[in-house]
Amino acid sequence: GAVVSQHPSWVICKSGTSVKIECRSLDFQATTMFWYRQFPKQSLMLMATSNEGSKATYEQGVEKDKFLINHASLTLSTLTVTSAHPEDSSFYICSARTGDSYEQYFGPGTRLTVT
Amino acid sequence: DAKTTQPNSMESNEEEPVHLPCNHSTISGTDYIHWYRQLPSQGPEYVIHGLTSNVNNRMASLAIAEDRKSSTLILHRATLRDAAVYYCILSGSGNNDMRFGAGTRLTVKP
Repeated sequence: GAVVSQHPSWVICKSGTSVKIECRSLDFQATTMFWYRQFPKQSLMLMATSNEGSKATYEQGVEKDKFLINHASLTLSTLTVTSAHPEDSSFYICSARTGDSYEQYFGPGTRLTVT
Repeated sequence: DAKTTQPNSMESNEEEPVHLPCNHSTISGTDYIHWYRQLPSQGPEYVIHGLTSNVNNRMASLAIAEDRKSSTLILHRATLRDAAVYYCILSGSGNNDMRFGAGTRLTVKP
């Protein structure tokens, strides 16, 4: 149980375009979802926290107008990278948590390459 | 946020035990100690977590110091598939998100 999926697993887009990444909890209801970004040879950096039906809370330094997060249901959150630039190329990982648990379950990640 | 300190890297021989230390001297009474590991190009994988007592599961054991200011993840018999970056993270009530430090890169030699 407690499986989180991400789609796509990898994506290449051109500079200036937008790309959407989906994060789904397959067998549980995720009241809270988290988005992380990881650059090569670095650790995961928390970007934002989203609760179902509420606006996301962004970490300091993360542009909310550039990284649009929607958590419209208890099983789906999306991250849209708007007007992507090569420096947005990274490994994006989501995680999900149920309301009564401190455990987080992580997705397999999405590798974004902006050319 | 309560922070953790781990060695940057460790090496182990295959089929030998590995003890991965973590210091968390500013841990609060409600913080759980979580361990995750990450293989290259994959999302983090849950390993084990605990609050005060030592914990065992099929993957590993977690030994927590009596004052809770440090803990040790124990892999009883390392295999080549255990080579990964291991993260020790504190999370609990009042601190619901998980923030990753640099972790320990474990290399397992055949």
